[in-house]
Order: sequence, then structure tokens, then C-alpha cells
Amino acid sequence: GQSLEQPSEVTAVEGAIVQINCTYQTSGFYGLSWYQQHDGGAPTFLSYNGLDGLEETGRFSSFLSRSDSYGYLLLQELQMKDSASYFCAVRDGPSGTYKYIFGTGTRLKVLA
Amino acid sequence: GAVVSQHPSRVICKSGTSVKIECRSLDFQATTMFWYRQFPKQSLMLMATSNEGSKATYEQGVEKDKFLINHASLTLSTLTVTSAHPEDSSFYICSARRGGALGTGELFFGEGSRLTVL
Repeated sequence: GQSLEQPSEVTAVEGAIVQINCTYQTSGFYGLSWYQQHDGGAPTFLSYNGLDGLEETGRFSSFLSRSDSYGYLLLQELQMKDSASYFCAVRDGPSGTYKYIFGTGTRLKVLA
Repeated sequence: GAVVSQHPSRVICKSGTSVKIECRSLDFQATTMFWYRQFPKQSLMLMATSNEGSKATYEQGVEKDKFLINHASLTLSTLTVTSAHPEDSSFYICSARRGGALGTGELFFGEGSRLTVL
């Protein structure tokens, strides 16, 4: 089966740095994405890694190691508004046959 | 950015009735849309992949006769929950990827529809 595992919950204080890990096992791999979802809202796209290495987008960075089937999302200078659920997602096929599988999700609590 | 609109945002219905949820891509054409179901504090579970002009592809364990998906145009996909029962109560979310953005992996999500079956 296909699976993407994440820690269920992470707590950190404002201004800190937090890392959310994602290990995946999928039938195919065409990139790892990260999404943020506030309670009651829809997921919003944060970052994408198609190749190994680090991608930086403002306070958020994402890393991928395809050989380890592993990636992480790094959030810097945490703010209260960052309290939300974070999901990694894998696209498992090429154009025309793909679908997106989501990870188990990580609830981030940012404390004042 | 691209916008995906979903309607209704909330619906309450009686057991045994059918409910239709619409998902529209407002500023781009979406040949493929995805329907997810989400239980409280849980992940997004892919229900089916909706393809414009053809039959939807359902995930294992999802009843295609219960969750009818129609993708009649490049901007509209609908999910109909037929003969709804309380166990169908959930948050349903659609998503689409803008054509040409394959490299970014970005999915655009609708606002979601919270279904409550009494």
C-alpha cells in the first residue's frame, strides 16, 4: 500500500524553528508537496520539491531526499498564525495518470 | 492565484436523500479534479479522480454507486452523495491542478463542503 507518515503533533514557541518530517512509501514518485490547513479551512499550497535538496520560500523551506524516501518542512520565526495542520503529499504518476496522496498530517501548536 | 470554488459550504440533509456538491475552477481549465474526504483532525483521503469527459477513477473501498462523480466540462465537477446516511457525514473537498503547472505540484482546493446527515 501507499503511505506517508508524519508526526501527529508538534509544539513550539513563537520565534522558534520547527521541522516536520515526512517519510513516504508510494508506487510512484513525481514530487513532494506541502500544504497548510487551518481548522475548518481548505488546504493551501506551501512548497514543492521535485528534485533532491532544499527549496526556500520566505520563512518556509522544504527538503527532499529521494534515496531515503524522506522530506521535511522547516518553519522559521514561528508566529501564532502558523498554528495549523501541515500535510505532505506525493504525486504518484506522470501526466494523465497521476493522483495526489496525502500524509497523516501534523498539528502544529505555536505557544506565546 | 488560481481559484477553485465549491458549493455548498454546509449542507444538512435527512437520511436517505441525495446531496450534490459542485466544484468549479474559476480562472483555469481543469481536465482533472480530485475529490477528498476528511474526518475531524484526520488526513485527506482521496475518494476519486474526476476526468473531464470520461468516467471517474475511484479509490479502493469507495462505492462508485454511492458517490457519483460527473465532470461534464473543463471547469465543473460534481459529487453526488446518493441515499445519504449518518456515516456519510464528513468534510468533502475538491481540488484541481492548473494545466502547465505540473512542475510545481500545486493543487488548488475548494473551500470544502461539510455534510451532516441526520
